Amino acid sequence: DGGITQSPKYLFRKEGQNVTLSCEQNLNHDAMYWYRQDPGQGLRLIYYSQIVNDFQKGDIAEGYSVSREKKESFPLTVTSAQKNPTAFYLCASSENTYEQYFGPGTRLTVT
Amino acid sequence: EDQVTQSPEALRLQEGESSSLNCSYTVSGLRGLFWYRQDPGKGPEFLFTLYSAGEEKEKERLKATLTKKESFLHITAPKPEDSATYLCAVQGAAGNKLTFGGGTRVLVKP
Repeated sequence: DGGITQSPKYLFRKEGQNVTLSCEQNLNHDAMYWYRQDPGQGLRLIYYSQIVNDFQKGDIAEGYSVSREKKESFPLTVTSAQKNPTAFYLCASSENTYEQYFGPGTRLTVT
Repeated sequence: EDQVTQSPEALRLQEGESSSLNCSYTVSGLRGLFWYRQDPGKGPEFLFTLYSAGEEKEKERLKATLTKKESFLHITAPKPEDSATYLCAVQGAAGNKLTFGGGTRVLVKP
């Protein structure tokens, strides 16, 4: 089955710790994206990558970092500099500028 | 800056009671308008892409339409399984980025 996987589904961390969220796709899509969703709000773009070894900041990149060493993988690190990291994180991929397909999400709780 | 506003925020329907969701947008050079369905605790599921005013697309009980300023998602004779949050997003000329609205939570009661 082709699709996008995110792991883990739930993640708990102490304040001040960095944490990395995994995103893998086997759709052979060039572009990948990270969004953040807060309760009752729409999705906000954190980072996106249109090609391996290249990525761009989205609207809310502060306190986050990414890498794109392989076409299939686009991990997101939530650093201790992110002031309000508790949220639902969604990864997506697309074939160029066409519709984006989303993974199941990771719910991160930082206490 | 691209903007998307969805209304209403929430909608309660009786099974079989048809209704419409609104997505108003401003965008520089519309490349596409996208509708997604999201169930609680899950990732959004792609429904439709609309590219130009006048375009319509249908899938089961859902029909999406597009004008130059807004899109409508019509739900005909809804069933309880249509309960979900419906998200609208636009892609402008600037690139791959999608701008999402806040969503409409739909609850269909039997």
